Amino acid sequence: DVKVTQSSRYLVKRTGEKVFLECVQDMDHENMFWYRQDPGLGLRLIYFSYDVKMKEKGDIPEGYSVSREKKERFSLILESASTNQTSMYLCASSPPQVNYGYTFGSGTRLTVV
Amino acid sequence: KQEVTQIPAALSVPEGENLVLNCSFTDSAIYNLQWFRQDPGKGLTSLLLIQSSQREQTSGRLNASLDKSSGRSTLYIAASQPGDSATYLCAVLRNQFYFGTGTSLTVIP
Repeated sequence: DVKVTQSSRYLVKRTGEKVFLECVQDMDHENMFWYRQDPGLGLRLIYFSYDVKMKEKGDIPEGYSVSREKKERFSLILESASTNQTSMYLCASSPPQVNYGYTFGSGTRLTVV
Repeated sequence: KQEVTQIPAALSVPEGENLVLNCSFTDSAIYNLQWFRQDPGKGLTSLLLIQSSQREQTSGRLNASLDKSSGRSTLYIAASQPGDSATYLCAVLRNQFYFGTGTSLTVIP
């Protein structure tokens, strides 16, 4: 089974801190994605990557950046955390073929105080 | 932009009942549709994936159907159990996955 691992289940950070959320997948998938999930808004795509060192903006990239130095690892960076970035963050991966679905990690619940 | 709607937003049923969750989408030009389950505070677990050329997929007590022309999918759960209590999300793939906001299901023992 594909495994997508997010390094932290819960994080509490202070406003203005630089925050790194890590995601690692073990099935050699080309595609990786970062979403945030908020009540009433559903899942919204922040950034995605189709290859190493490649990144594309999703629907809500403001305040975030990403890094993909290795195929298996996709990091989400909050340059200066703000309280409105308190959310559940979900990482997903998939192979490039469109007939495969997504596999998600278990999520990171980030609270910015 | 693709819009995905799930109705109802919440559903409560007694144990043993068969139930149907609905998902509708506005753009029928999709590659596939995926149903997920999410437990509180957890990530998404894939339940069923239906390719655009397929009409349905089955896994155990779950059956998902897809009608692309009408922009609808249903998830049928047979003989519901308290362990089925969770939020169920559908997602459709075009250039990216678009998610509904989910149906929160409670199965009462």
